[in-house]
Order: sequence, then C-alpha cells, then structure tokens
Amino acid sequence: GAGVSQSPSNKVTEKGKDVELRCDPISGHTALYWYRQSLGQGLEFLIYFQGNSAPDKSGLPSDRFSAERTGGSVSTLTIQRTQQEDSAVYLCASSSSVTNGYTFGSGTRLTVV
Amino acid sequence: DQQVKQNSPSLSVQEGRISILNCDYTNSMFDYFLWYKKYPAEGPTFLISISSIKDKNEDGRFTVFLNKSAKHLSLHIVPSQPGDSAVYFCAATGANSKLTFGKGITLSVRP
Repeated sequence: GAGVSQSPSNKVTEKGKDVELRCDPISGHTALYWYRQSLGQGLEFLIYFQGNSAPDKSGLPSDRFSAERTGGSVSTLTIQRTQQEDSAVYLCASSSSVTNGYTFGSGTRLTVV
Repeated sequence: DQQVKQNSPSLSVQEGRISILNCDYTNSMFDYFLWYKKYPAEGPTFLISISSIKDKNEDGRFTVFLNKSAKHLSLHIVPSQPGDSAVYFCAATGANSKLTFGKGITLSVRP
C-alpha cells in the first residue's frame, strides 16, 4: 500500500485481557517505530526496529508490552493483562531515512474498560 | 524528563496573520529537528525539518528557525489559513535516528 496501515483502528478491551495491534509499514522502509499518545500527552516512544538489528526497546513501559517484526515488514505490538492506564492511541511509523521524516499510520485507539 | 518542550498548549491567530510556534530542547546531542502536523483521528504528518548546520529552512508558507545556542526552534506560518488548524508537534533526533517529540501545541486559525 501507499501508506502505513494499522489495525484495528479502534479496540475496546476489558482490563486484564491481552491485545495485539498490527502495523504494516511502507514497503521498503527499513525502520519501524511504535509510539503512543495518551490523553493530553505528547508522543511517547515505545520501540524501534531497524533492519536486522536488535530492536531498541527502551521505551516499553513495562514487561507487559512486547513487539516483534516478522520478515522485516509487519510488526505486532502485544500488551498483556491490559490496565486502564494503557488506554491511548498507539501509532506506528516507518521510514527509509529520518531526514525524510517518519510516515505515521492513523493509529489504533485502545480503550481499556 | 522532557527533552523536547512545547510550553504553550494552544495558540489562536486570525486568518492571514503569522502563527509562531515555539519549541525548546535540552539534549545537545540532537542534530536534526522536525515539525509534524496532526489532525484528529489521523496520524501525524511530516511538515518541515531543519539540520543543525542551518539556522533557517523555508517551504512555502512554512519556515523553521533554529537557534542552537539557545536550544530553541520555532515554526512560522505566514499567512495562516483556517486549514492550518491542527496540533503541531516539534521533534528532535540525534545519531540513533529515534525521534523525541514534544507534547504538541493546538493551533486554531480564526476565519
């Protein structure tokens, strides 16, 4: 596709359930990023994949969060035992070079009830 | 620890006037700066960027100024249009290619 695709666009889940969020980056983009935006907050870095290098997981807020990127393309962000504070918009971005800017998807709005 | 700060949460300007959006950073290792624009229910879109070797970059109605000694950058929009109403994020990066974002500023352009 022409852009970064994220699914689902909206997700409501019960506290304690696991959720998986998917990101399809732009074809050929070697870098993939996950950010989240909580209400009234900026974009918080979560994890960064670059080619075949080990991912930068320094932004993951707890061990309930994990992400993988299969075949250097599609990425899945998994949140286990969701909590209400996990409610946010989760944004995925890809890039070929940071000087070209990231291209963001439209995000997944996660609501934990 | 906010390394990129956008201290004003909102700005309202009249159509046709100049909008000036400010951003401060604390990390001296940042060498590339970007502005993103975000409409509701959409992802942020890249607007304009500037390298630390420059002090100004212009693209149409948008100009970004960088003052390295003050660790300050600003985005000027002239003339402002109602369609410019959105949230604007300042972002910075260094050698690790990871963008650090500010909290954003909501710009409202009044017709």
